[in-house]
Amino acid sequence: DGGITQSPKYLFRKEGQNVTLSCEQNLNHDAMYWYRQDPGQGLRLIYYSQIVNDFQKGDIAEGYSVSREKKESFPLTVTSAQKNPTAFYLCASSIVRESNTGELFFGEGSRLTVL
Amino acid sequence: GESVGLHLPTLSVQEGDNSIINCAYSNSASDYFIWYKQESGKGPQFIIDIRSNMDKRQGQRVTVLLNKTVKHLSLQIAATQPGDSAVYFCAENTILTGGGNKLTFGTGTQLKVEL
Repeated sequence: DGGITQSPKYLFRKEGQNVTLSCEQNLNHDAMYWYRQDPGQGLRLIYYSQIVNDFQKGDIAEGYSVSREKKESFPLTVTSAQKNPTAFYLCASSIVRESNTGELFFGEGSRLTVL
Repeated sequence: GESVGLHLPTLSVQEGDNSIINCAYSNSASDYFIWYKQESGKGPQFIIDIRSNMDKRQGQRVTVLLNKTVKHLSLQIAATQPGDSAVYFCAENTILTGGGNKLTFGTGTQLKVEL
């Protein structure tokens, strides 16, 4: 089945450590996105990529880094510079076209807890 | 700044009744408005979208209304079922130059269906 796979589902990290969250899609979508969700809040955009080897900062990119070396993959690294990294992280993908409606396909999320 | 917000954080309805979830937005330049459903511990799922030049769109058991005069968006769910219990987010979409999506999400409304 086509979809988006995020791993790991749960992750614990000590303060000062970097951690990388995996996101893979087999939907043949050009665009991929990373969102952060905090309890009782909406989703906030961290980074997005509309094409391989190119990505842009979203609204809360500080303390995060990404790469887009392959169309299928868009890993997110939460660095030690991120002051409050405990959150639910969601990866998404979408087609790229002028008449895009805004339909994103989301993964099941990765819950990161900093101890 | 631009924002998308919801009027009610929690909505309880009886099974079989109709549900109405409301959302206020502030960015008149958005291309599309979208509703997403998020079940506990999962990623959001696309429900329905409406283009900014429309005022009503119907799907299966759902209707979205857009009132641009008062910058208000609503989602109506007919004959609400237990499986409709979830958090519902409205989002504004601005299509990026590259054809991707820049979504701004609201804070969400928890819909609880009582038997």
